[in-house]
Amino acid sequence: QQQVKQSPQSLIVQKGGISIINCAYENTAFDYFPWYQQFPGKGPALLIAIRPDVSEKKEGRFTISFNKSAKQFSLHIMDSQPGDSATYFCAASRGIQGAQKLVFGQGTRLTINP
Amino acid sequence: DAGVIQSPRHEVTEMGQEVTLRCKPISGHNSLFWYRQTMMRGLELLIYFNNNVPIDDSGMPEDRFSAKMPNASFSTLKIQPSEPRDSAVYFCASRRENTIYFGEGSWLTVV
Repeated sequence: QQQVKQSPQSLIVQKGGISIINCAYENTAFDYFPWYQQFPGKGPALLIAIRPDVSEKKEGRFTISFNKSAKQFSLHIMDSQPGDSATYFCAASRGIQGAQKLVFGQGTRLTINP
Repeated sequence: DAGVIQSPRHEVTEMGQEVTLRCKPISGHNSLFWYRQTMMRGLELLIYFNNNVPIDDSGMPEDRFSAKMPNASFSTLKIQPSEPRDSAVYFCASRRENTIYFGEGSWLTVV
């Protein structure tokens, strides 16, 4: 129940295209769903996050779509650029004693071809 | 903010040796997390602290692993004795509100 399943493992997209990464979860108690971006040699960094009371959140070229009934959420990167090439992790958590225990998906290695 | 600071950035050690990884969280953050990242298992939460108190250490793989947070600005993760399967990147992270900020990691190789 603590798992977050992410797909695909790797993704190649042409510059200007749309990148789509999907995640599914089991635990209906999760109430916070962030996406993290990780460049080689760096730690993950928060990209965008959503709570289950909304179905979509957009920040620039990045959009999270959330389907509560299906227990799925996805990251869309519009007009993908070579600089977006990185590993992306979805995650989920619920507050426990004031601290959030994030459970991460396995990651998607995204490559944007110029 | 200087960000979460980890040391050492890279460590190569022989099997059986003690390894100590250090972390300085971002000032004012009251939660601290230790994660391990490997190709096979992805990002795994090892332990987290809230206000310097360990809340959940269920992710610590074995008794060989221990973590301490003696004050709000310092934490250690110790492996004794180390084994080759401990080779991984170890991340420390601290939290403000809903956002967890990661350090750049300590790359550990046990030979």
